[in-house]
Amino acid sequence: GESVGLHLPTLSVQEGDNSIINCAYSNSASDYFIWYKQESGKGPQFIIDIRSNMDKRQGQRVTVLLNKTVKHLSLQIAATQPGDSAVYFCAEAGGGADGLTFGKGTHLIIQP
Amino acid sequence: DADVTQTPRNRITKTGKRIMLECSQTKGHDRMYWYRQDPGLGLRLIYYSFDVKDINKGEISDGYSVSRQAQAKFSLSLESAIPNQTALYFCATSDGDWGNEQFFGPGTRLTVL
Repeated sequence: GESVGLHLPTLSVQEGDNSIINCAYSNSASDYFIWYKQESGKGPQFIIDIRSNMDKRQGQRVTVLLNKTVKHLSLQIAATQPGDSAVYFCAEAGGGADGLTFGKGTHLIIQP
Repeated sequence: DADVTQTPRNRITKTGKRIMLECSQTKGHDRMYWYRQDPGLGLRLIYYSFDVKDINKGEISDGYSVSRQAQAKFSLSLESAIPNQTALYFCATSDGDWGNEQFFGPGTRLTVL
């Protein structure tokens, strides 16, 4: 079936560097994409979203890029901080599917 | 998110037992959802409800049932728990369609022995 996936289960970056977390999706009819952050022992927390009529959206220290041609989504975190350490999930919606379809998650580890 | 609460936070039970997980929200949202999270598999949708009289099956509804008692309450039941239902369960709410942000509760860790 259709699914949303991430390229790497774990990503390790130095504190202060920029982080890029990638996600590939397979449902070309999806029209809404979200990035969630999940810290240990907590529920997922919304970070940023983007609709299919956009290719870039910026928030505070975060940017989401959408490439519909290759069905690729990325989350960029600027100047990574220790508090950014968490598992990051991409999710897609629309295209006839029920609810949000989540990827498997990337664990972002911050090296001091 | 403190506006979405789940009880219990942890539960250990035995195979064959009936279990109910509760979810309450103070956000005033019409839409509520139950997800299951397994290691390495992300979150998967079990059931969702768009209002008090509306119940819909998600991707993995077999072995589960739900009840939307009020706008603010959405409970998930395992009629006869089995070990492969051991997982982390999350409730979420939203005030619009799939294009709107979903707010998640803190989760319930369920272990079925």
